[in-house]
Amino acid sequence: GESVGLHLPTLSVQEGDNSIINCAYSNSASDYFIWYKQESGKGPQFIIDIRSNMDKRQGQRVTVLLNKTVKHLSLQIAATQPGDSAVYFCAEKSLEGGGADGLTFGKGTHLIIQP
Amino acid sequence: EPEVTQTPSHQVTQMGQEVILRCVPISNHLYFYWYRQILGQKVEFLVSFYNNEISEKSEIFDDQFSVERPDGSNFTLKIRSTKLEDSAMYFCASRPRRGGGEQYFGPGTRLTVT
Repeated sequence: GESVGLHLPTLSVQEGDNSIINCAYSNSASDYFIWYKQESGKGPQFIIDIRSNMDKRQGQRVTVLLNKTVKHLSLQIAATQPGDSAVYFCAEKSLEGGGADGLTFGKGTHLIIQP
Repeated sequence: EPEVTQTPSHQVTQMGQEVILRCVPISNHLYFYWYRQILGQKVEFLVSFYNNEISEKSEIFDDQFSVERPDGSNFTLKIRSTKLEDSAMYFCASRPRRGGGEQYFGPGTRLTVT
């Protein structure tokens, strides 16, 4: 079936460097995308979202890029800090019908920040 | 800052027993969700709940599962007869409005079925 998936299971970067986490999705009906951060033993924490009518959205130290042509989503984290070490999930859904449905999550990328 | 809370943090039960996992969503939110995450795997959607009824459920959410909002604040997930494969983290989430908006997740309940 259609699903959201991530390219790399683990990404290791040096503290202070920028990191890019990628996500591919296959459901062409998806029009809302979210990045979540999950630290060990905790629930997913919202980072940033983007709707399909946009191709870029920026937050504090984070940027999400959406390429609907190739069904690709990425999360850029600038000037990484030790607290950025976590598993990052992309998630998607279709807003059609009011958006009551659940999110479809990808498999997750474990971001490790090296000191 | 308001947050979703869940109790207990860890539940151990024997196979075949019934369990109830409890959640208190953020007070002005309208949509409520349960997800599960088997150790080391991705988060999986179970069910969404709106206006006192189920609005969507996944294939995982079979007849052994039920949800309830008994008193306007709590949101519960019941598993009638637990199986070993039900062992997972169960996350409750809530969302404030229609048409999008992020879902806010609770800290989870770790269910261990022995």
